[in-house]
Amino acid sequence: DAKTTQPPSMDCAEGRAANLPCNHSTISGNEYVYWYRQIHSQGPQYIIHGLKNNETNEMASLIITEDRKSSTLILPHATLRDTAVYYCIVRVNDMRFGAGTRLTVKP
Amino acid sequence: SAVISQKPSRDICQRGTSLTIQCQVDSQVTMMFWYRQQPGQSLTLIATANQGSEATYESGFVIDKFPISRPNLTFSTLTVSNMSPEDSSIYLCSVEASTGFEKLFFGSGTQLSVL
Repeated sequence: DAKTTQPPSMDCAEGRAANLPCNHSTISGNEYVYWYRQIHSQGPQYIIHGLKNNETNEMASLIITEDRKSSTLILPHATLRDTAVYYCIVRVNDMRFGAGTRLTVKP
Repeated sequence: SAVISQKPSRDICQRGTSLTIQCQVDSQVTMMFWYRQQPGQSLTLIATANQGSEATYESGFVIDKFPISRPNLTFSTLTVSNMSPEDSSIYLCSVEASTGFEKLFFGSGTQLSVL
């Protein structure tokens, strides 16, 4: 069973920041938060992950609250190619995907 | 990173037949997984493919229906047996590569349609 809750869908204007929230209130101290995305007809793609600290890479930033019960994935300048389903996963032993958030980036 | 080749990319099969899906990785990996994605749904973990031993199946998936082989650290197969239209899904192979931290790489999937 997925341990995360995400909104089913979100829209974002092209060029603006996309902020995707995720609730994981039952997360344990040694569990990482991973984000993947799935563009239509492709396999999921790794974006970023974190444990306690905020993380940033070339794709996105991950903000994790101090109590670790929620996080936000930030795409700083969304493009049309960022339209995808975004999955927030709390890693136990294996990756279990929830329903995800369908992000639509609009011109 | 790990490059995954999955074959076939798609197939249309008749009810009652079986299809074997192959997953080849370009490097040795410890963990290999098989997922199913039904139309319009998220991914569901079928099993962990264990090298040299029987696969570990998730609840709702059984070896008779989804036999899995993993003869070495770079290759695995998933067979969908005695297919019915309800088996129409995308089947995805995934591997975990240690790059200082664990993350999953996915193949492009096999689109299976059962008539």
